[in-house]
Order: sequence, then C-alpha cells, then structure tokens
Amino acid sequence: KNEVEQSPQNLTAQEGEFITINCSYSVGISALHWLQQHPGGGIVSLFMLSSGKKKHGRLIATINIQEKHSSLHITASHPRDSAVYICAVPEYGNKLVFGAGTILRVKS
Amino acid sequence: ETGVTQSPTHLIKTRGQQVTLRCSSQSGHNTVSWYQQALGQGPQFIFQYYREEENGRGNFPPRFSGLQFPNYSSELNVNALELDDSALYLCASSDGYISGANVLTFGAGSRLTVL
Repeated sequence: KNEVEQSPQNLTAQEGEFITINCSYSVGISALHWLQQHPGGGIVSLFMLSSGKKKHGRLIATINIQEKHSSLHITASHPRDSAVYICAVPEYGNKLVFGAGTILRVKS
Repeated sequence: ETGVTQSPTHLIKTRGQQVTLRCSSQSGHNTVSWYQQALGQGPQFIFQYYREEENGRGNFPPRFSGLQFPNYSSELNVNALELDDSALYLCASSDGYISGANVLTFGAGSRLTVL
C-alpha cells in the first residue's frame, strides 16, 4: 500500500511570495497527480507527471522518481491561489491514493 | 466538451435510509471512479467502472454499490446509511482506467449529511 505524505499541512503566505508544497510516497509509481480543491469541494487536475518538470502559468511541478518525492511550486502567489493542494499516486493500476492535502492561504 | 456533472449537490438523509448519487462523465471518457472525502481528509477510493463493469474496489462494505450505463454515466448507491457516511462524494471520469496514465476530470461533488 502506497503511503502519501504532504508537507506542510497548512501554509500562509503573503501575496507575491514563492510557495513550495512537498509530497513523498512510499512505493514506486508510474506518475503522480497534483490536484487543487477549492472551498465547496470541486477538484481540478493541475498536473500529471512521471519525470522531470512541468510548468503551467505560475505553477511548476517537479518529480524525482528515485527519491519518491514531488514538489509543487507557485511563483508570485496571489489570493486566488488559496485552496487545498493534494497530491495523489496510483495504486494497483486503477485507483488513486491521495495525500491529506496542504491548505494554502495567500493574504493580500 | 462538457465536464463532469454530479447530482444532487447537497442532500440530507437519516440513518438507515438509502441514497443514489449520479454522475455524468465528460464526453469521450469511458471510466468513472468514485471517491469519498470526509471532512478534513483526502479522498478515499470507493470503486471504479470501466465500460459498464466494476474495475476495482476500495475498502468499502457491500452496501456501497454502483452502476455504469452505456453512455458511461454512473450511479453510486449507498444502503442502510450510517452517520459515518456523511461526506463529500466525488466522481471522476477519464479516458481509460490506468490512473498513472490518464488525467482525471472531477465533478464538484455531492455533499451527503446523515442525521
């Protein structure tokens, strides 16, 4: 069973700050998902990555398969980035195991 | 291209009742996965349907059951509701069942409260 740990659990930042959220997992995987969940519940898929780095706007995701670790970075953070960020990894091929999430609050 | 639609968005039931939650998958997607998210926790995998067949199940009792229809929409049924069933139920669709190879599109969820 894959154990997924995220850090920090809670993060408060000032607008404009560079933010890093970390995710570690215990069993080797083919790819990792980063997701964003806003108050009210809806989840948006941000990235699915299996190696290296991906970038979308101000968001950057990196993964090190050998170290079983991924990071999500937000550059020039903005209050609208306030949300819960969740990493998830596959298990038994067809299901995802989710981390508990990082609650991000960006203050203006 | 439509996204994933879930209904109802909110509902309140009492212990022992039964509930049906519905999910319309994104156009072109043949796989639907259901997740339960308790307050303050990450989602937990309930089960997955691929081309109308159950294709994997998490650690949930048989009173959690589901269906997938020919148009790939899906239902989650929960019988004999318990207080601990209170949660956000999320549906996610994808084009293929391999979660390490397919991006998931999530619905907004159905929030169930059991009194």
